[in-house]
Amino acid sequence: EAQVTQNPRYLITVTGKKLTVTCSQNMNHEYMSWYRQDPGLGLRQIYYSMNVEVTDKGDVPEGYKVSRKEKRNFPLILESPSPNQTSLYFCASSPDRAINSPLHFGNGTRLTVT
Amino acid sequence: GNSVTQMEGPVTLSEEAFLTINCTYTATGYPSLFWYVQYPGEGLQLLLKATKADDKGSNKGFEATYRKETTSFHLEKGSVQVSDSAVYFCALRPNTNAGKSTFGDGTTLTVKP
Repeated sequence: EAQVTQNPRYLITVTGKKLTVTCSQNMNHEYMSWYRQDPGLGLRQIYYSMNVEVTDKGDVPEGYKVSRKEKRNFPLILESPSPNQTSLYFCASSPDRAINSPLHFGNGTRLTVT
Repeated sequence: GNSVTQMEGPVTLSEEAFLTINCTYTATGYPSLFWYVQYPGEGLQLLLKATKADDKGSNKGFEATYRKETTSFHLEKGSVQVSDSAVYFCALRPNTNAGKSTFGDGTTLTVKP
């Protein structure tokens, strides 16, 4: 089944403890992206990747890192999480960088930082 | 920068009522426009899209027309069902930088029997 898989689905951590949220897609998509969803703010883009080894900042990249060492994986790294990073996170992919390519989303990771 | 503005929710309708969710955008050039739907506990799914002016996207009884002159992409459905209850997001992907998608805040729709 074609899908975008995020892990974990739920994560509770403490301030300053490094964490990684994994994202993997099995559709051989070139493009991948991370978003956070907060009440009243919709989805805001954190980072995106047009292809392997190519990453760029979205609208809210502060406090996050990403890497794209292989096509299928695009992990999101929080080196020193803070409570304002408590949010619902989504990974998405699309077949290519064409503007008419729709995004395929994972089921989300709900992160709580205390 | 680019922006997407959706009508504020939540929206509550009775089954078989007509639905309109307004969406307007600001972007340079000619973006592609999308509507996504999010059911509880799930990620977003593509509902429909339009890639150029006057295109009409349609799916599952939902429709939206890309209006360049009014920079709008309003979502409509003639007769909603309880199963349409979800959060709806309008989004654009700009031709100036296809990497950067912009989403509206989302509109929560509840359909009552």
